[in-house]
Amino acid sequence: AQKITQTQPGMFVQEKEAVTLDCTYDTSDPSYGLFWYKQPSSGEMIFLIYQGSYDQQNATEGRYSLNFQKARKSANLVISASQLGDSAMYFCAMRETSNFGNEKLTFGTGTRLTIIP
Amino acid sequence: ETGVTQTPRHLVMGMTNKKSLKCEQHLGHNAMYWYKQSAKKPLELMFVYNFKEQTENNSVPSRFSPECPNSSHLFLHLHTLQPEDSALYLCASSQVSPGELFFGEGSRLTVL
Repeated sequence: AQKITQTQPGMFVQEKEAVTLDCTYDTSDPSYGLFWYKQPSSGEMIFLIYQGSYDQQNATEGRYSLNFQKARKSANLVISASQLGDSAMYFCAMRETSNFGNEKLTFGTGTRLTIIP
Repeated sequence: ETGVTQTPRHLVMGMTNKKSLKCEQHLGHNAMYWYKQSAKKPLELMFVYNFKEQTENNSVPSRFSPECPNSSHLFLHLHTLQPEDSALYLCASSQVSPGELFFGEGSRLTVL
């Protein structure tokens, strides 16, 4: 079963509009963390925002906010006032415990966001 | 300047070649990772090193051989690869494992 599901392979959004990128996850661990990364065409993965499973409030970082709905197991990324530079691939990831007892990040398949001028 | 530098950025090799990918981090981190990114697939964790010790091998074929001589450097040695190994190989580091990952720009590998 897929641990992280991103159902939107691609999205087109008008510049200056807000955009929500969907992410649902599956885990039985009570303690976990959720990350969003941005990957521009250069290939580098850029950390955007983090939400811990016990955090009471939704995480925010500048124009990025994470709409964390624990009961629904969703962690959607909201980008306010989108800019042309926001065009990139966006990956949702979850920190979980591996079979080796280590903790690792598991990534979704990503959403390609294109901002239209 | 990302703090994590990968070389080469692009590599084309035949199935009988031997090559290496290099990763260097300038962030003082203690954990380093290799991830594989194939088209339309999630990023796949390959290897994890904590304080130079390999702590995870995610069922990676032996034709991929990692090496971590110190906390700042990580290599991925490649030999007798297959065309399906063509992908973007991303190196990352974190202060501890797990932790916020800082990624390099990746090495785009094409196996002919």
